[in-house]
Amino acid sequence: GNSVTQMEGPVTLSEEAFLTINCTYTATGYPSLFWYVQYPGEGLQLLLKATKADDKGSNKGFEATYRKETTSFHLEKGSVQVSDSAVYFCALSPSGTYKYIFGTGTRLKVLA
Amino acid sequence: EPEVTQTPSHQVTQMGQEVILRCVPISNHLYFYWYRQILGQKVEFLVSFYNNEISEKSEIFDDQFSVERPDGSNFTLKIRSTKLEDSAMYFCASRMTGFVEKLFFGSGTQLSVL
Repeated sequence: GNSVTQMEGPVTLSEEAFLTINCTYTATGYPSLFWYVQYPGEGLQLLLKATKADDKGSNKGFEATYRKETTSFHLEKGSVQVSDSAVYFCALSPSGTYKYIFGTGTRLKVLA
Repeated sequence: EPEVTQTPSHQVTQMGQEVILRCVPISNHLYFYWYRQILGQKVEFLVSFYNNEISEKSEIFDDQFSVERPDGSNFTLKIRSTKLEDSAMYFCASRMTGFVEKLFFGSGTQLSVL
């Protein structure tokens, strides 16, 4: 079946540190991959996406590369800010469907 | 940016009672979803809805659950007889047509079944 596995949190970093949040997936075919972010008191918002192998999604300094050979879509940012503190969800949408499958979310806390 | 609105933000109910969770999707969206997240667990797909009917549902979405779009703007999730294990955050989402479109989520309804 289709599933997403994320690293467990919380992840606590100092401002300007490098961030990696790991995400691996299991899927048949060629799913699309997403990162969503949830700030306190708000709904999930799309952060970035990639629709085929070797695509790199990027937004607000965050990046993730679709790696089919390792079935991974790790989220990275070179220098985090306090305002990046949120919960980050990795997700996939199986090819040819309107369904989205989410991971458990990883809480990031950035300290000043 | 347009928003998906969910009400109430918190709902407390007794086991066995019926609850209705309400959502107002973005007005020109065509696909509607309900997800839930039990504390510390995955965000789980419940159901998707398109063209006034269910397009897909998960194993969780049994006969106790139903969805409705009663008036062309609201999208509701009804749980007929709540169980303790239904306690979760319930998220509504909507999107445009086409594959790989982004989902717009509401901020959720925290349901507590006592």
